[in-house]
Amino acid sequence: GDSVTQMEGPVTLSEEAFLTINCTYTATGYPSLFWYVQYPGEGLQLLLKATKADDKGSNKGFEATYRKETTSFHLEKGSVQVSDSAVYFCALPRYNTDKLIFGTGTRLQVFP
Amino acid sequence: DTEVTQTPKHLVMGMTNKKSLKCEQHMGHRAMYWYKQKAKKPPELMFVYSYEKLSINESVPSRFSPECPNSSLLNLHLHALQPEDSALYLCASSQPDRASPQPQHFGDGTRLSIL
Repeated sequence: GDSVTQMEGPVTLSEEAFLTINCTYTATGYPSLFWYVQYPGEGLQLLLKATKADDKGSNKGFEATYRKETTSFHLEKGSVQVSDSAVYFCALPRYNTDKLIFGTGTRLQVFP
Repeated sequence: DTEVTQTPKHLVMGMTNKKSLKCEQHMGHRAMYWYKQKAKKPPELMFVYSYEKLSINESVPSRFSPECPNSSLLNLHLHALQPEDSALYLCASSQPDRASPQPQHFGDGTRLSIL
């Protein structure tokens, strides 16, 4: 069945470090892929999305490329800030349903 | 600022109380969702309404009763809850389109504590 696998956290980085959070998926067909971010005490916010193979989603300095060959959608940022500390969820819609399948989430902690 | 508004932000209730969670969106979305999120876990889908009709119930206990009075409002009625129901309850909305699924927009949630 459809599934999303994310790297275990927490990821702990110093400010201005490079960030990668891995996400791989199994899915029927070629679904849209999403990254959501959840800041402490808040709901989930859509960070970026990609709708087809080789698409690159980007927002707030974050990027992710839809890789069909490796079934991956890794999240990257060149220089993280303390304000990026949050939990990041990779997600995809289950085929022909209104359901979103989430990864387990990866907590990012950025220290000054 | 989120475009999906949930009230109340916090709720403490006893196991015999009846309360309701409310959710409102004005983005013209015709699908609305309730999720339950426990600490350090991803959201778990509870219910989906599509065009004001219940389309998905993820085998949720009957002590949770959803209601969609119109396309902008979604309620979750709570009765005789258990301590394990303490969690963050998230509402979301989107345009229903199974051929090209649209992102869901989430509210900030109601943090529910059952005494």
